[in-house]
Amino acid sequence: LAKTTQPISMDSYEGQEVNITCSHNNIATNDYITWYQQFPSQGPRFIIQGYKTKVTNEVASLFIPADRKSSTLSLPRVSLSDTAVYYCLVGGLTGGGNKLTFGTGTQLKVEL
Amino acid sequence: EAGVAQSPRYKIIEKRQSVAFWCNPISGHATLYWYQQILGQGPKLLIQFQNNGVVDDSQLPKDRFSAERLKGVDSTLKIQPAKLEDSAVYLCASSYHGGAEDTQYFGPGTRLTVL
Repeated sequence: LAKTTQPISMDSYEGQEVNITCSHNNIATNDYITWYQQFPSQGPRFIIQGYKTKVTNEVASLFIPADRKSSTLSLPRVSLSDTAVYYCLVGGLTGGGNKLTFGTGTQLKVEL
Repeated sequence: EAGVAQSPRYKIIEKRQSVAFWCNPISGHATLYWYQQILGQGPKLLIQFQNNGVVDDSQLPKDRFSAERLKGVDSTLKIQPAKLEDSAVYLCASSYHGGAEDTQYFGPGTRLTVL
């Protein structure tokens, strides 16, 4: 299983762009990279997923270099409501099913 | 579209007691997951079902934890007997087919406190 490493915490201010980088050096060929967001007392919520290059949706962008050994979640113009824990997951079908492992995540704190 | 439902939301028991959690996945989702999330940590997969069959239960403490998904829809997770270290949030998630690119939808979780 691919292991991920991401910063434990990050601080930002409202209106700024936040980039959270995740390293996954032993990513496998069939692995996807997925980011989830979790607020206190709630289950994680899907943000974005990619396999290579760049993916953008209405809330975030995901940048994946050619070697796929890292990925960067970009949150444009964050607000107080973006304060949450962000998890980077790497996984794919491996024999018995879709193996996904959550790390400890990155606690993002957004201030005024 | 209704989300993943879980009950109860909170449970307090004493060690050595038994407890059960219930999960109703999103309609039409074939894959169901149970996770354990200890305070300050990310969720840890306990068991994964594909319809009513077990795909992965490698991290399930089988001496005290059990789970079933009868008829391939609802699922229950049971702990018997509970230990202090079982205090955690138990999250249920479902996905359409369990593929590598499949999105998992999580329920609100059940917070278990073992005294």
